[in-house]
Amino acid sequence: EVRLVESGGGLVKAGGSLRLSCIGSGFTFSDYGMNWVRQSPGKGLEWVSSISGGGDYIYYADSVKGRFAISRDNAENSLFLQMNSLRADDTALYFCARANWFSLDSWGQGTVVTVSS
Amino acid sequence: QSALTQPASVSGSPGQSITISCTGTSSDVGGYNYVSWFQEHPGKAPKLIIYDVITRPSGLSTRFSGSKSGSTASLTISGLQAEDEADYYCSSYTSSSTWVFGGGTKVTVL
Repeated sequence: EVRLVESGGGLVKAGGSLRLSCIGSGFTFSDYGMNWVRQSPGKGLEWVSSISGGGDYIYYADSVKGRFAISRDNAENSLFLQMNSLRADDTALYFCARANWFSLDSWGQGTVVTVSS
Repeated sequence: QSALTQPASVSGSPGQSITISCTGTSSDVGGYNYVSWFQEHPGKAPKLIIYDVITRPSGLSTRFSGSKSGSTASLTISGLQAEDEADYYCSSYTSSSTWVFGGGTKVTVL
């Protein structure tokens, strides 16, 4: 069974930093691209960033470009999101999601990030 | 990276069929057959219910079906049941090698 577990969320002041982690199990982690998707309170889903299986292709939403950095450690089956210069509008539930070709087929339960102004 | 357009809400009675639309552009929905649909119940993670426009994941109810015409994709739920009450999101892969989501549609079973 595919399982994704996020951690690292918390309360941080505007301008601060956080590092999110996601550990995958039940599949060969390095065979799949991975993504971060967020959901602001009471709002819809917003794609944040993606990284290919080998880590050589990386993409970001315009809203986080230059502030967030995605990375992975395939030896540890881990995905990361380094979030810097955090703003109030980054407050959200952050999900990691596996990319199976062109669909996001498995999701974790998410980790909450709250940025206070 | 503009969000795809979905109706805010759709409702139907048990047993009826409802359809949710998802409108994008030639850079996403219209340009690729990579539209997905997700069901999200409160407090739960999104669940993939349709991918590649028309394909259901293994084991998923045949009451869910997808289609596309031009830059508009659609999700149809037939034989509406109480358990179908949830938020539904469409998503598309884009020409920028990114993903874009719709704003979400709240489905209410009357």
